[in-house]
Amino acid sequence: GAVVSQHPSWVICKSGTSVKIECRSLDFQATTMFWYRQFPKQSLMLMATSNEGSKATYEQGVEKDKFLINHASLTLSTLTVTSAHPEDSSFYICSARGGQGLGGYTFGSGTRLTVV
Amino acid sequence: GNSVTQMEGPVTLSEEAFLTINCTYTATGYPSLFWYVQYPGEGLQLLLKATKADDKGSNKGFEATYRKETTSFHLEKGSVQVSDSAVYFCALYDSGNTPLVFGKGTRLSVIA
Repeated sequence: GAVVSQHPSWVICKSGTSVKIECRSLDFQATTMFWYRQFPKQSLMLMATSNEGSKATYEQGVEKDKFLINHASLTLSTLTVTSAHPEDSSFYICSARGGQGLGGYTFGSGTRLTVV
Repeated sequence: GNSVTQMEGPVTLSEEAFLTINCTYTATGYPSLFWYVQYPGEGLQLLLKATKADDKGSNKGFEATYRKETTSFHLEKGSVQVSDSAVYFCALYDSGNTPLVFGKGTRLSVIA
């Protein structure tokens, strides 16, 4: 079945540094990927929609200069958390359409970011 | 706009008990409906789905029936196991390249 590989699965970084999270669709082409953020014991909050070859569309309240999204190919989208702060600590999950029939979405395994 | 409402948790059950997690939706179109499961520290996995009215999705003993008249997609399992402990998300997909719309999730804990 369809697989989205997300790396790293966890990362610890110092305040002020930047962290890049990658999501790759392994056996299908993902023209659209979605990035979510999940706080402990809460649902997924959509951050942005990433379209291959064009600028990402950010949800209201999400800082586009802080969360840089690049979707340079049909199989790779990246999320870079710039100048990270402790409040950016969260679980980040990507999702791509494809591989599971109508409306099917495949999710990455998530990245646990801890900023110290 | 589209929205999904699911019962609030946490839900705690004994092993072999019957499970129901309620989910209702509001949609402008004719959506497809999904249940996803998230085990601790992991991403989301598709559990089951239904794309039209009266369809029943099923997987791993879980079932849900798309009820258009009541705009519901309740998740059921006849006999839960400890390994079913997870967070369950109801979701809908409308059309095009739109993202899934999720409910808030229901945490299930099954005790032996």
